[in-house]
Amino acid sequence: DAEITQSPRHKITETGRQVTLACHQTWNHNNMFWYRQDLGHGLRLIHYSYGVQDTNKGEVSDGYSVSRSNTEDLPLTLESAASSQTSVYFCASSETSGSNEQFFGPGTRLTVL
Amino acid sequence: QKEVEQNSGPLSVPEGAIASLNCTYSDRVSQSFFWYRQYSGKSPELIMSIYSNGDKEDGRFTAQLNKASQYVSLLIRDSQPSDSATYLCAVNPYFGNEKLTFGTGTRLTIIP
Repeated sequence: DAEITQSPRHKITETGRQVTLACHQTWNHNNMFWYRQDLGHGLRLIHYSYGVQDTNKGEVSDGYSVSRSNTEDLPLTLESAASSQTSVYFCASSETSGSNEQFFGPGTRLTVL
Repeated sequence: QKEVEQNSGPLSVPEGAIASLNCTYSDRVSQSFFWYRQYSGKSPELIMSIYSNGDKEDGRFTAQLNKASQYVSLLIRDSQPSDSATYLCAVNPYFGNEKLTFGTGTRLTIIP
C-alpha cells in the first residue's frame, strides 16, 4: 500500500548541531509539505515543494531548509538546531488534482537540548 | 484576526449525542475546506472534505459549509468514546494554491 513515512520518529540533539528529518512517500504525489506543531500554535507550514527541484518557504522557515531531488523524498534540515525548534514535525503530501487533500506522515518528535 | 479560527474547547459531549464543531475563516475567496481528526500523540487524519455550500454526509459525519458567512462546521452523530480527539479545521486559500491553513483545533471529549 502507498504510504508516507518519516524518520527518525524521535530525536534528541544538542543546540548548534545540524539535524535532518526524512520524509518519504510512495503515492507519487507532486506536492510535499513540512509542518511543525506546537501547543497553542497548531500546525504551521515550514517549507513546501510542488515538484522535483521546486522548494518554497512557508510561514516559519527561518533556520530550516529543504531540497527535492526526486518525487518521493523531501528531507528537512535544521542548519543549527535551537531550543526553539523543539517540536513535533509532520510531513504531508498531496496530488495536484485540485482536491488539495493532504495526507500526513506519523511525525517526528524532536528535542533540542 | 487569525485566518482560521476554532474554539479550543474542551468540548464535552455525552455518548450518543451530536457533537458540533465550528470553524470560521477570514479569506472570502477560500475554495476548499477540510476536517482532520488527531488523536493524542498521532498525526492528523483527513475525515471530511467539502468544496461547495451545503451539507456533505459521510457515515456519522456531516460537514456543513456556508461561504457567505465564512464558516464550516462538522457534526458527529451518535458520538462514541472513540471520537474523543482534537479536530482540526483546514482551509485552502484559493484555486491553484496547494497550501492549507490550519486552525488550532478543538479538543472533543465524549463522556460515556
